Amino acid sequence: DVKVTQSSRYLVKRTGEKVFLECVQDMDHENMFWYRQDPGLGLRLIYFSYDVKMKEKGDIPEGYSVSREKKERFSLILESASTNQTSMYLCASSPLGTDTQYFGPGTRLTVL
Amino acid sequence: AQKVTQAQTEISVVEKEDVTLDCVYETRDTTYYLFWYKQPPSGELVFLIRRNSFDEQNEISGRYSWNFQKSTSSFNFTITASQVVDSAVYFCALSEVMNRDDKIIFGKGTRLHILP
Repeated sequence: DVKVTQSSRYLVKRTGEKVFLECVQDMDHENMFWYRQDPGLGLRLIYFSYDVKMKEKGDIPEGYSVSREKKERFSLILESASTNQTSMYLCASSPLGTDTQYFGPGTRLTVL
Repeated sequence: AQKVTQAQTEISVVEKEDVTLDCVYETRDTTYYLFWYKQPPSGELVFLIRRNSFDEQNEISGRYSWNFQKSTSSFNFTITASQVVDSAVYFCALSEVMNRDDKIIFGKGTRLHILP
């Protein structure tokens, strides 16, 4: 079974803090994705990566950065958290050339 | 441009009733994939099905069935004899093969409540 794990289910941070969200997959997938999910807006793609050290902007990259130093790990970074980044963050992975994405359990981030 | 519309924001049915979740998509591609995902209250999106654009056969898996109609650009999902455990948010999604970037476009989801 594909396994995607995220470092925290719930996280509370203060405005201005630097926040790291970690995602690890164990299926040797090339592709990894970060989404945020907000009520009424569905899933919106923040960043994705096709390979180690490669990254591509999604639909809403502003205020975020990512890091992919190892194939199995894809980190989402909020350089200076703001209250409008309070959201559910979902990580996904997929093999290259196949579109089916497999999701982690999500991290519900609250920025106070 | 590619787009997925799930017009039903929220549906409530009584347990054991059948329910259909609608999905309409837009794409200029002739080769594409359609998906359904389930998001239970725990939060994790669970993959249910992937259908490619050349396969219009309906699919049945237990109480779940999917009706793909290219003529109306729809990929509807029916749950037969619904159960409380089916309560979740369901997402329809589209991926265009020619995009070559393996991205998926999601609809905004339909929240399904199965009432005991």
